[in-house]
Amino acid sequence: QKEVEQNSGPLSVPEGAIASLNCTYSDRGSQSFFWYRQYSGKSPELIMFIYSNGDKEDGRFTAQLNKASQYVSLLIRDSQPSDSATYLCAVPERGNKLVFGAGTILRVKS
Amino acid sequence: KAGVTQTPRYLIKTRGQQVTLSCSPISGHRSVSWYQQTPGQGLQFLFEYFSETQRNKGNFPGRFSGRQFSNSRSEMNVSTLELGDSALYLCASSYELQLGSSYEQYFGPGTRLTVT
Repeated sequence: QKEVEQNSGPLSVPEGAIASLNCTYSDRGSQSFFWYRQYSGKSPELIMFIYSNGDKEDGRFTAQLNKASQYVSLLIRDSQPSDSATYLCAVPERGNKLVFGAGTILRVKS
Repeated sequence: KAGVTQTPRYLIKTRGQQVTLSCSPISGHRSVSWYQQTPGQGLQFLFEYFSETQRNKGNFPGRFSGRQFSNSRSEMNVSTLELGDSALYLCASSYELQLGSSYEQYFGPGTRLTVT
């Protein structure tokens, strides 16, 4: 079974800084990667997805893939207190079966 | 477009009872997946349904079952509830352009199940 690992944190950054979240995956053949944000007491919300063909930027969010080292990063620019949440990385194992990391808690301090 | 809906949102059951949870996917989405989220185990895949057929299954006991209807709505059932079944049960739907490929999944609000 594929494995996805994330540092549980918490990662604390000041407001306006860049938050960098990392996720390592075990299967070198993985082709797609998903980042979800989960606020306390809420369900996961899809915020970014990338495929093996390159990095992706969407507003303040950038997802970067390092296939050689088997990790994917999520960068959040100009971090806001509203970005404080748990960020979950997920990799498909088979079809739509997602394997999730344990999540990284991000705290943005104003 | 309306998102994924799940009912009920909260449920309290007693050990040994059974429970049925319902999920309505985003309109046009034919794949529905179920996940269990607990503080100790995180998010774990239960099963996936596509066109009324179970396509993927996670490592859960047979007490956990599901089905999908022709309108893509899905239900999951847990029989003989145990204390350890207390969790947030999440449903996610996705739209597939190409059968068998992996696509973005969107989660519903979840059903919080408490077993006493």
